[in-house]
Amino acid sequence: EAGVTQFPSHSVIEKGQTVTLRCDPISGHDNLYWYRRVMGKEIKFLLHFVKESKQDESGMPNNRFLAERTGGTYSTLKVQPAELEDSGVYFCASSQRGGFKGNTIYFGEGSWLTVV
Amino acid sequence: AQTVTQSQPEMSVQEAETVTLSCTYDTSESDYYLFWYKQPPSRQMILVIRQEAYKQQNATENRFSVNFQKAAKSFSLKISDSQLGDAAMYFCAYRRAKVASGTYKYIFGTGTRLKVLA
Repeated sequence: EAGVTQFPSHSVIEKGQTVTLRCDPISGHDNLYWYRRVMGKEIKFLLHFVKESKQDESGMPNNRFLAERTGGTYSTLKVQPAELEDSGVYFCASSQRGGFKGNTIYFGEGSWLTVV
Repeated sequence: AQTVTQSQPEMSVQEAETVTLSCTYDTSESDYYLFWYKQPPSRQMILVIRQEAYKQQNATENRFSVNFQKAAKSFSLKISDSQLGDAAMYFCAYRRAKVASGTYKYIFGTGTRLKVLA
């Protein structure tokens, strides 16, 4: 069974440009999460999808970030325009159900974003 | 608000030796879960071990065990018989047991990079 896959694995863009990160969750997982780790700091929650609906987007830093999950399958996270402080690792995770019992959350490898 | 603190940015251990990674947390909740995740270089982050707060018994998974001190809000990870493959970033994480909104957010620490010396 394929795990959570993220693309690209690494991206270097200039300040002001746009970057789109993609996440393919494990097949059949309704719950999809985005987290971010700025270098040297903790991993922070960005948002949570249940199928195609945003359940919680309280962690999104500002309106330069747009997440979508059309059709409830893969998700994209677009940063436009990118700023230097957006550099970090963006993790995607998915789980089958929301409750803890039986809810193992699986993470991807992360997409490393560097804004120069 | 809940917080998780990992005070050791980096640790080293000799192969076959034992190492303990520290984690403290702060919460006013009585029911929650604690986790240790491991991310090897360029690999997926995977769950190492988890602990339910209502359980007094410390969780163990093969060479990995925790020392859960609920009153002290401490959750350390002990790795016995360290192997080269244990080299990774280790993240301590907290999650509430029940939420009203349906979003089970994980609160992570800043991570500890573990080096295993041959």
